[in-house]
Amino acid sequence: AQSVTQLGSHVSVSEGALVLLRCNYSSSVPPYLFWYVQYPNQGLQLLLKYTSAATLVKGINGFEAEFKKSETSFHLTKPSAHMSDAAEYFCAVSSTGGTSYGKLTFGQGTILTVHP
Amino acid sequence: DGGITQSPKYLFRKEGQNVTLSCEQNLNHDAMYWYRQDPGQGLRLIYYSQIVNDFQKGDIAEGYSVSREKKESFPLTVTSAQKNPTAFYLCASRLAGGRSNEQFFGPGTRLTVL
Repeated sequence: AQSVTQLGSHVSVSEGALVLLRCNYSSSVPPYLFWYVQYPNQGLQLLLKYTSAATLVKGINGFEAEFKKSETSFHLTKPSAHMSDAAEYFCAVSSTGGTSYGKLTFGQGTILTVHP
Repeated sequence: DGGITQSPKYLFRKEGQNVTLSCEQNLNHDAMYWYRQDPGQGLRLIYYSQIVNDFQKGDIAEGYSVSREKKESFPLTVTSAQKNPTAFYLCASRLAGGRSNEQFFGPGTRLTVL
């Protein structure tokens, strides 16, 4: 079984400050990991994904995430927050086999607020 | 442009009524998924389908039903047996062939039971 824990349901930063959203996963096999962003009343958009290549993954809108196997973590960062980054962010892990192949397990989500 | 469409965007239902949410994709994806989203609970999987004419229950299938008669369509019916159907419903699709393939999401349908 796989699971994802996002630490902090709400994160608040000032515009221009570092953004750090935390994600820890549990998986019995090497995972594939994803970060999605959701703006109010919209669907989810993929920010980036880890697929066992480079451990530092760069995504859209200046976001990046680092896969750390020893810490079972996949934290999302952005050096300088922008007002348009305010949204809810979801970390997800992909399942491995059988009929649930490719199924995603999501974390609870982290709402990011950006203050002027 | 390829993508996923969900209709309607907003839906109101009286208690005791069944209602069907539409999901269509023109991405030629094999797998399709239905999620329910409630505040603070993330996304929970209702049903998914890997190929036409086949589907599996997810984590919260009770009170819901689906069909997959065409590759591009995966409608979800919320039945009167679903005790708390008010939620935001998201449909997604994925290209089969590798579990690293991401899921693409539709814009969602917000269902409110009056």
